Amino acid sequence: DADVTQTPRNRITKTGKRIMLECSQTKGHDRMYWYRQDPGLGLRLIYYSFDVKDINKGEISDGYSVSRQAQAKFSLSLESAIPNQTALYFCATSDNRGRTDTQYFGPGTRLTVL
Amino acid sequence: AQSVTQPDIHITVSEGASLELRCNYSYGATPYLFWYVQSPGQGLQLLLKYFSGDTLVQGIKGFEAEFKRSQSSFNLRKPSVHWSDAAEYFCAVGAGYSTLTFGKGTMLLVSP
Repeated sequence: DADVTQTPRNRITKTGKRIMLECSQTKGHDRMYWYRQDPGLGLRLIYYSFDVKDINKGEISDGYSVSRQAQAKFSLSLESAIPNQTALYFCATSDNRGRTDTQYFGPGTRLTVL
Repeated sequence: AQSVTQPDIHITVSEGASLELRCNYSYGATPYLFWYVQSPGQGLQLLLKYFSGDTLVQGIKGFEAEFKRSQSSFNLRKPSVHWSDAAEYFCAVGAGYSTLTFGKGTMLLVSP
């Protein structure tokens, strides 16, 4: 089984709809991240969480919100989706033991907003 | 603030030829450096990482990278490219106990 899973893997929705993307991990890591990937722009950090009670905004948090329901679960919500939020979304985790910062990625969710 | 530049958006290499992908970073202290690979339709897989010590690091799939502090670079190399290496490659920099900053990626195309 994959260490970092994301659901759904693909989603098509309409402008104005609320969407939730979910991420679960079995790696036992405290830190979790949400990124979006757009062609030519690389990965940009949306939100990150260093533990269950810690939520931080990333580079591009406007229009998004997150919830850390448990150590293993980190959800990303689009309250009112818009077409320029069409992108590939990745969840990642990392271990806070030791100064490594190595991040492990899920398979991604492809979101299309019409 | 830290930043990463990958100067080449696309690179085409013949199968069997050598490969070097460039990465330049900006960070005030000793950085933690990473290379990730993304195959079509897949997530990102860690190829290798540098934290300290030997400046030449070995990774998976026959890749290596060399940290050059004087040039603020962490270039990825492979002596002989295989068609299966066609993918997008991302360089990233971290600072310990913090987030990573990714470059915009280099798409590697492998010609027969």
